[in-house]
Amino acid sequence: DTAVSQTPKYLVTQMGNDKSIKCEQNLGHDTMYWYKQDSKKFLKIMFSYNNKELIINETVPNRFSPKSPDKAHLNLHINSLELGDSAVYFCASSPWGEEEKLFFGSGTQLSVL
Amino acid sequence: SQQGEEDPQALSIQEGENATMNCSYKTSINNLQWYRQNSGRGLVHLILIRSNEREKHSGRLRVTLDTSKKSSSLLITASRAADTASYFCATGDMNYGGATNKLIFGTGTLLAVQP
Repeated sequence: DTAVSQTPKYLVTQMGNDKSIKCEQNLGHDTMYWYKQDSKKFLKIMFSYNNKELIINETVPNRFSPKSPDKAHLNLHINSLELGDSAVYFCASSPWGEEEKLFFGSGTQLSVL
Repeated sequence: SQQGEEDPQALSIQEGENATMNCSYKTSINNLQWYRQNSGRGLVHLILIRSNEREKHSGRLRVTLDTSKKSSSLLITASRAADTASYFCATGDMNYGGATNKLIFGTGTLLAVQP
């Protein structure tokens, strides 16, 4: 019954590989996000989608490609992983009319070796 | 950088004491929020204060906002060991609303409440 769930929780991979992180929310929210938290706990938005439509792309390298098959899902695919991609990636969602209030998943810790 | 800053970076107190954290930001805002992050978990929304409000309460939490100084404070009264977490402020830029909302997060304050 988790509201915003993302998988996997941990992802360890080699440089150059391609990986995906999945996110699903069962809150009925229209807007979903990907945020990246670096080793200094700095949290920054990467993308947002509203009802499957890309709204925000915060100058993220095009190796990162979000995909929203429906408004309850927002997946993140990363090509040609680099060492600097190591971080915790958080999925979040927000309700219509209260888009400023975010509901976060528990995060995916990505380690690129 | 648009990033907000929080002060102090780390705070250690005894159970029962009050904890005060401060946040400064740079842009004009619609609202300011505080989130809590337990170790290894996602952020949890605590409280939101709008730009036309000066103070807001929720349980043991009290938030103030001074838009002239671009600053906010979060007070946790009668702290408990379970309050141990990182606390982040996040601002909603007034130029981005609705579905274009993008929160700017502060650097966080790590609070440790000793039992």
